[in-house]
Amino acid sequence: DGGITQSPKYLFRKEGQNVTLSCEQNLNHDAMYWYRQDPGQGLRLIYYSQIVNDFQKGDIAEGYSVSREKKESFPLTVTSAQKNPTAFYLCASRTGTGNQYEQYFGPGTRLTVT
Amino acid sequence: GNSVTQMEGPVTLSEEAFLTINCTYTATGYPSLFWYVQYPGEGLQLLLKATKADDKGSNKGFEATYRKETTSFHLEKGSVQVSDSAVYFCALGLSSGSARQLTFGSGTQLTVLP
Repeated sequence: DGGITQSPKYLFRKEGQNVTLSCEQNLNHDAMYWYRQDPGQGLRLIYYSQIVNDFQKGDIAEGYSVSREKKESFPLTVTSAQKNPTAFYLCASRTGTGNQYEQYFGPGTRLTVT
Repeated sequence: GNSVTQMEGPVTLSEEAFLTINCTYTATGYPSLFWYVQYPGEGLQLLLKATKADDKGSNKGFEATYRKETTSFHLEKGSVQVSDSAVYFCALGLSSGSARQLTFGSGTQLTVLP
């Protein structure tokens, strides 16, 4: 089955530590995205990538970093510079062109930093 | 800028009741419009979409019509079930430029009681 895998589902870290969230897709999609979701709020875009070795900042990129070395993989690092890292993180990929496109989401990783 | 405003929740209905969740948007250009659903602890699933004015998206008994004159994309279902309990997100995406990122509303929590 094609889809997006995020691991782990739950992640716990101490303040001051960097942590990397995994996102893998086997849908052969070029574009991938990272969103952050906080309770009672919509999703906010952190970073996106449209092709391998290229990525762009979204609305809330400060304190985060990404890489895109392979088409299938788009890991997100939450650095110690992110002031409020506890959140639910969602990875997505996109299919389609023009105005006929859809984003597909992974199951998410819930990060708790104490 | 682009934005999506959703009806505030939570919404609680009895099984077989009629559902409306309001969504209005502000966008430069001609957006595509989406409804996503999120079940507890999971990622988002695309429920339906519409890509141009007067288009109607439909899926699993849910419908929404793209109304350009009122900049709205209200979600409706004639008879809800307990299994429809979830958070519903309205989103818009613009095809100008190549990012095609989505802008989300804050979500509406729906609870259906037996």
